[in-house]
Amino acid sequence: DQQVKQNSPSLSVQEGRISILNCDYTNSMFDYFLWYKKYPAEGPTFLISISSIKDKNEDGRFTVFLNKSAKHLSLHIVPSQPGDSAVYFCAASGGGDMRFGAGTRLTVKP
Amino acid sequence: NAGVTQTPKFQVLKTGQSMTLQCAQDMNHEYMSWYRQDPGMGLRLIHYSVGAGITDQGEVPNGYNVSRSTTEDFPLRLLSAAPSQTSVYFCASSLTPSYTTEAFFGQGTRLTVV
Repeated sequence: DQQVKQNSPSLSVQEGRISILNCDYTNSMFDYFLWYKKYPAEGPTFLISISSIKDKNEDGRFTVFLNKSAKHLSLHIVPSQPGDSAVYFCAASGGGDMRFGAGTRLTVKP
Repeated sequence: NAGVTQTPKFQVLKTGQSMTLQCAQDMNHEYMSWYRQDPGMGLRLIHYSVGAGITDQGEVPNGYNVSRSTTEDFPLRLLSAAPSQTSVYFCASSLTPSYTTEAFFGQGTRLTVV
């Protein structure tokens, strides 16, 4: 059962525009959420996280929004840069468990 | 800083062979874990360890063994390789269980079982 879903396998945006990556979860025990970025032939690297007591967390060009009632979170990248082209994984944790989504491949075109 | 080091980067095994994937970290992290990444599946937890001498199963542990004799090393053993174990394997470490703090990942091992 996929408890964390990233329904868009890929996303393409123009440089300078906003990238919005979405993630849905089903387990109401999840209370901490993380985003990881992965370049080819490298391991995932941590990007940003959010606790369920917040609905927004910002770090530079990256903002994560959490809608607990909808069990939905999103990652906004503004402005998008070609170096942001990577696979982005959403992860949700809580109740002694952590699950990853399948990832969204973001391509930022110059 | 080396961080998390995995060896080998690539491996081809025949069905039934055994092998050990090595993982070492130099950050003095207590928590280490192994994941496999398959297309359309994301990362799935195989085994994890909360400290030297302590290991436990994750979501997909069958066919794999682990041990943790030191804080630094967390090898993953495939007992009898099967084609279903063809995957990319990632080792990760973190200060606390990955669930509430960031995890640091190795570069991965791409394993093919023929």
